[in-house]
Amino acid sequence: NAGVTQTPKFRVLKTGQSMTLLCAQDMNHEYMYWYRQDPGMGLRLIHYSVGEGTTAKGEVPDGYNVSRLKKQNFLLGLESAAPSQTSVYFCASRSRTGANTEAFFGQGTRLTVV
Amino acid sequence: TQLLEQSPQFLSIQEGENLTVYCNSSSVFSSLQWYRQEPGEGPVLLVTVVTGGEVKKLKRLTFQFGDARKDSSLHITAAQPGDTGLYLCAGARAGGTSYGKLTFGQGTILTVHP
Repeated sequence: NAGVTQTPKFRVLKTGQSMTLLCAQDMNHEYMYWYRQDPGMGLRLIHYSVGEGTTAKGEVPDGYNVSRLKKQNFLLGLESAAPSQTSVYFCASRSRTGANTEAFFGQGTRLTVV
Repeated sequence: TQLLEQSPQFLSIQEGENLTVYCNSSSVFSSLQWYRQEPGEGPVLLVTVVTGGEVKKLKRLTFQFGDARKDSSLHITAAQPGDTGLYLCAGARAGGTSYGKLTFGQGTILTVHP
């Protein structure tokens, strides 16, 4: 079972460069999320989507954009990378059904901006 | 602002010892989840508690949700090296616009020495 797959797993960017992180899920989940994880900070929500064609801002959206053109994919874009965006990025998905259902996470993308 | 305060941040113990991790908030959550994360992997759900005062057991792990649904604890009995990892608590709020978004604590890095 693939579950939630993130690509790439590692990336080094120079300040000002752009990139797109791809998240794909094969569980037909309606809800998808992008989190970033920094030491001592837990996971913080960047953007989320409740369905195809819809996106919304989370707790730390500045410097990021997202798109959800297909239900199974959720893309996270950095238009002009900054060192402060060095982090580990996690995508997650969950079913809309039920208030307390499990969120499934990808393996993460470790991004370094130099 | 960290809405969920998790403590301690680091815990280093010997095999066979007991330990407790705390997750506290001034806010009420509809449910509280505990995740475990291994290096290079995404978080994996251990348990969800939804009722104030609820206690759930998972082998040597005991999870408790506070009566007021503002705090939770994870107790591990007779810790083993295989318990080593990052433990995260995450709260979810009720309501139609919550969309399953999670607020995470800072995490507790547990190391169990043989």
